[in-house]
Amino acid sequence: QSALTQPASVSGSPGQSITISCTGTSSDVGGYNYVSWYRQHPGTAPKLLISDVSHRPSGVSNRFSGSKSGNTASLTISGLQAEDEADYYCSSYTRSTSVIFGGGTKLTVL
Amino acid sequence: EVQLLESGGGLVQPGGSLRLSCVASGFTFSSYAMNWVRQAPGKGLEWVSGISGRGDRTYSADSVKGRFTTSRDSSTNTLFLQMNSLRAEDTAVYYCASGQGYCPNGICPGDYWGQGTLVTVSS
Repeated sequence: QSALTQPASVSGSPGQSITISCTGTSSDVGGYNYVSWYRQHPGTAPKLLISDVSHRPSGVSNRFSGSKSGNTASLTISGLQAEDEADYYCSSYTRSTSVIFGGGTKLTVL
Repeated sequence: EVQLLESGGGLVQPGGSLRLSCVASGFTFSSYAMNWVRQAPGKGLEWVSGISGRGDRTYSADSVKGRFTTSRDSSTNTLFLQMNSLRAEDTAVYYCASGQGYCPNGICPGDYWGQGTLVTVSS
């Protein structure tokens, strides 16, 4: 099973908003509302930002929001900050009773 | 404070075996499904396996099925990954992660992650 499709890189200036897409199929993203988003800074473990498509865990900034339309999920980060520069990964539960990740998106804050 | 501490990584020859451990503290271990996620050097994340809170159900990625076995011991709050018939492509940092409650079978990696342990498969 191929990884979910994410753009390799996105960039934005401080204060701006950016959106990262995550495209799958009807067997994963499109078939279930179990899409998650993670942020990973170099050399550290991933951190959960969004679960269940749009749920923000306790302690996660409301600058992060998630949505889904069909087979594509999206993560929007508003009010970009320097600390947001990191790699971002989406994941989805799949019909095969497994989890699939996206290839990752490197966010650069200009 | 929640902590997940992995150990057991190292250098192993192709075809060899290794057993990873992940000791949990700061939360009710038996109430959470647990998962293993790996990341090859310079690459993205890959879900490896998951196990139910009671340890009676396990799930694995196709890439490791038949070679890796996931288990847990609630008496010691420890998650294990027994890796056999290791291949070069298994080289990665292996993370243990708690599961999300609403995700089916709890196999979606959640809030709690360890710092990872590096497994290198090479001759």
